[in-house]
Amino acid sequence: AQSVTQPDARVTVSEGASLQLRCKYSYSATPYLFWYVQYPRQGLQMLLKYYSGDPVVQGVNGFEAEFSKSDSSFHLRKASVHWSDSAVYFCAVSASGSWQLIFGSGTQLTVMP
Amino acid sequence: EAAVTQSPRNKVAVTGGKVTLSCNQTNNHNNMYWYRQDTGHGLRLIHYSYGAGSTEKGDIPDGYKASRPSQENFSLILELATPSQTSVYFCASGDAGTEVFFGKGTRLTVV
Repeated sequence: AQSVTQPDARVTVSEGASLQLRCKYSYSATPYLFWYVQYPRQGLQMLLKYYSGDPVVQGVNGFEAEFSKSDSSFHLRKASVHWSDSAVYFCAVSASGSWQLIFGSGTQLTVMP
Repeated sequence: EAAVTQSPRNKVAVTGGKVTLSCNQTNNHNNMYWYRQDTGHGLRLIHYSYGAGSTEKGDIPDGYKASRPSQENFSLILELATPSQTSVYFCASGDAGTEVFFGKGTRLTVV
């Protein structure tokens, strides 16, 4: 069965610091992978997605993620965070051709000024 | 811009009562979804639909029904609400090859 693990429930970083949010997935084939962000009392918005090809994908607002098949990971990175990046970040996986998303439990990111 | 609208945004219901959560999308997507979000669980799929007239069970369908009377509308129905159904519910729409769009959520409290 597909599953997604985000091992860090909460991450706190200082403004201007670099960021990595971890995501590990379990799936027998190569899945479609996503990162979503949720701002307070809002729905989820997609940051980026990976289907195939270059393992490093670029998203909105300077975010990028790297797919690793050997490590079954899809970690999210940003070179320099801003206070407005404070939000909950979800990693998600789906089978190719399906839009049934399986979500991780989320990581609450707090950016300190 | 793609839009998914949920109503109501907040709801307080009594135990044993019937609750209907509504969702409307203007994206012309075939697929629509209902998720619930609870701390520590992320989003879990309750029901989904591939088009008007179809509903399918997701991962946690017990205690919920769904209705898709048209392409645009997808409702989640709690026939006999229980306190364990207190949660935030999200509706979403999307098709293969397109982004999945989420509504802003409905906060349901069952007392």
